[in-house]
Amino acid sequence: NAGVTQTPKFQVLKTGQSMTLQCAQDMNHNSMYWYRQDPGMGLRLIYYSASEGTTDKGEVPNGYNVSRLNKREFSLRLESAAPSQTSVYFCASSKHLSEAFFGQGTRLTVV
Amino acid sequence: AQTVTQSQPEMSVQEAETVTLSCTYDTSENNYYLFWYKQPPSRQMILVIRQEAYKQQNATENRFSVNFQKAAKSFSLKISDSQLGDTAMYFCAFITNYGGSQGNLIFGKGTKLSVKP
Repeated sequence: NAGVTQTPKFQVLKTGQSMTLQCAQDMNHNSMYWYRQDPGMGLRLIYYSASEGTTDKGEVPNGYNVSRLNKREFSLRLESAAPSQTSVYFCASSKHLSEAFFGQGTRLTVV
Repeated sequence: AQTVTQSQPEMSVQEAETVTLSCTYDTSENNYYLFWYKQPPSRQMILVIRQEAYKQQNATENRFSVNFQKAAKSFSLKISDSQLGDTAMYFCAFITNYGGSQGNLIFGKGTKLSVKP
């Protein structure tokens, strides 16, 4: 019973490098989310996908792209990492209008 | 704009006592759902309690209960008989229903709760 699986758990990037954070859920949820968490800022929504094939920008989308590959998977890509993108990233999924289940988070450091 | 405000960045409580965390929100929608999440030092996000806006009865879950005031757009969390394991960040969140289409899940900035022995 995996729930939401997010990889990697930790990553260090150099400025300008690219990477993709992977997220998969096995609960047959329609909605998936990517958040970033910074001290004192709570969880801020980067992108979300209400259903397979759709994505929408959240509060802080600049510098990120997403792909809803299928119903299970929702990836987040940083094309050219910047120090301002140092954060903890969470993927989550939910049924329609229901509570979200979260992955364990990715701690990303951009140096 | 839809927002969630948690006005208490930090709180502390003595073990076995009761504490209330505040949350207000703003939305023009009438149909929405409210949540409290707990994030212990392990970083895992754990659902504490949920409330459907159309229900007048306040939700309860063991030692956790809410005071939902729809007209005031207030959704506070009461923790009774506080335990050391309740030490965590607590986030208030809500999600709206735009005529059948789901809006996004919005979080407040959190309240850091410390339970002291």
